[in-house]
Amino acid sequence: AQSVTQLDSQVPVFEEAPVELRCNYSSSVSVYLFWYVQYPNQGLQLLLKYLSGSTLVESINGFEAEFNKSQTSFHLRKPSVHISDTAEYFCAVIFHYGGSQGNLIFGKGTKLSVKP
Amino acid sequence: DTAVSQTPKYLVTQMGNDKSIKCEQNLGHDTMYWYKQDSKKFLKIMFSYNNKELIINETVPNRFSPKSPDKAHLNLHINSLELGDSAVYFCASSQAVTGLSYEQYFGPGTRLTVT
Repeated sequence: AQSVTQLDSQVPVFEEAPVELRCNYSSSVSVYLFWYVQYPNQGLQLLLKYLSGSTLVESINGFEAEFNKSQTSFHLRKPSVHISDTAEYFCAVIFHYGGSQGNLIFGKGTKLSVKP
Repeated sequence: DTAVSQTPKYLVTQMGNDKSIKCEQNLGHDTMYWYKQDSKKFLKIMFSYNNKELIINETVPNRFSPKSPDKAHLNLHINSLELGDSAVYFCASSQAVTGLSYEQYFGPGTRLTVT
């Protein structure tokens, strides 16, 4: 069965430190990859996505993620975090084969806590 | 100009009741979804629906029934509510599956508490 694994349920980090949130997925079929962010008591917002092309994708607020096909990973990174980055981050994957695509499958989320 | 809206934001009800959650999107998307987020924040799809087809997730009890009066609305009706139904329910929408982008836009969520 297809699955998405976020290895860390919680990541505490100090302000201005770098951070990496890890995401791995199963299966060797083609994928579309997403990172969503959920701020406290809010809905999910798309942070960035990989559909095709360059394997390094960036968001407008300084996050980036790199698609690594051989390692089936899509880790999220930011070189310097802010207090306002405190949120739950979800990795999500659409597995697709030929002309058909599956559902968006979410990882269990990583809670990023940025401390002053 | 909210893209995906849900009502109500909070819903507290007793076991055995029937309730509905409404969802509307003004993005012109053809596909809409319902997700359930449990107490551990795990998100799982319940249904996806487009103009042509309702796709029912087999793990969803038949007490849950989506209803779509038109392609901009997808409501979720729940019969005989149980304690385990307590969760946050998210509506989402996206372009049709043959579109170029598979990005899903999420509503703010409805926190359902069954007592």
